[in-house]
Amino acid sequence: AQSVTQLGSHVSVSEGALVLLRCNYSSSVPPYLFWYVQYPNQGLQLLLKYTTGATLVKGINGFEAEFKKSETSFHLTKPSAHMSDAAEYFCAVTPRASGGYNKLIFGAGTRLAVHP
Amino acid sequence: GAVVSQHPSRVICKSGTSVKIECRSLDFQATTMFWYRQFPKQSLMLMATSNEGSKATYEQGVEKDKFLINHASLTLSTLTVTSAHPEDSSFYICSVTDITLDGYTFGSGTRLTVV
Repeated sequence: AQSVTQLGSHVSVSEGALVLLRCNYSSSVPPYLFWYVQYPNQGLQLLLKYTTGATLVKGINGFEAEFKKSETSFHLTKPSAHMSDAAEYFCAVTPRASGGYNKLIFGAGTRLAVHP
Repeated sequence: GAVVSQHPSRVICKSGTSVKIECRSLDFQATTMFWYRQFPKQSLMLMATSNEGSKATYEQGVEKDKFLINHASLTLSTLTVTSAHPEDSSFYICSVTDITLDGYTFGSGTRLTVV
């Protein structure tokens, strides 16, 4: 069965420091891959996704992620953290399919704290 | 892009009563909707998948008679928590997708508190 693992339930960085949130998936066929951000008591906002094409994907708010098939990874990075980046981040996967999207499977989430 | 409206954003109900949560796609026709539940400091767990005009498919361990899902139109899906109990208190989020969309769109969530 499809699954996704986020290493590190909590990550703390200084403002201006590099942000690295890890995500690994388990499936023989690379799935579609997503990163979402969630602020308290809110829904999910898409940061970026990988479906096909270039393996380095750029998203909103300066985030990017690189799909590495050999490592079954899709880690999220941002060169310089802002205080406003403090939130919960979820990596999610869904199997490749024609005719639309299947259900999303979420990782456990990583809470990012940014301190001055 | 797609816009999804979820109501109410917060609801408090008494134990034993039922609560209905609505998920509306405002600017497109959603053939598929998903309902998730999120407990505090936890991830989203898929409860069920609903396709317009057919019965919802529930995930293992989710009681279909307790969590009634109706997807009667391409723009509206409802989740009714029947005979709610305190352990049903959670954050419920809907998500929609369609072949015309390039991914998923999420509602803003509903915080249910059962007292």
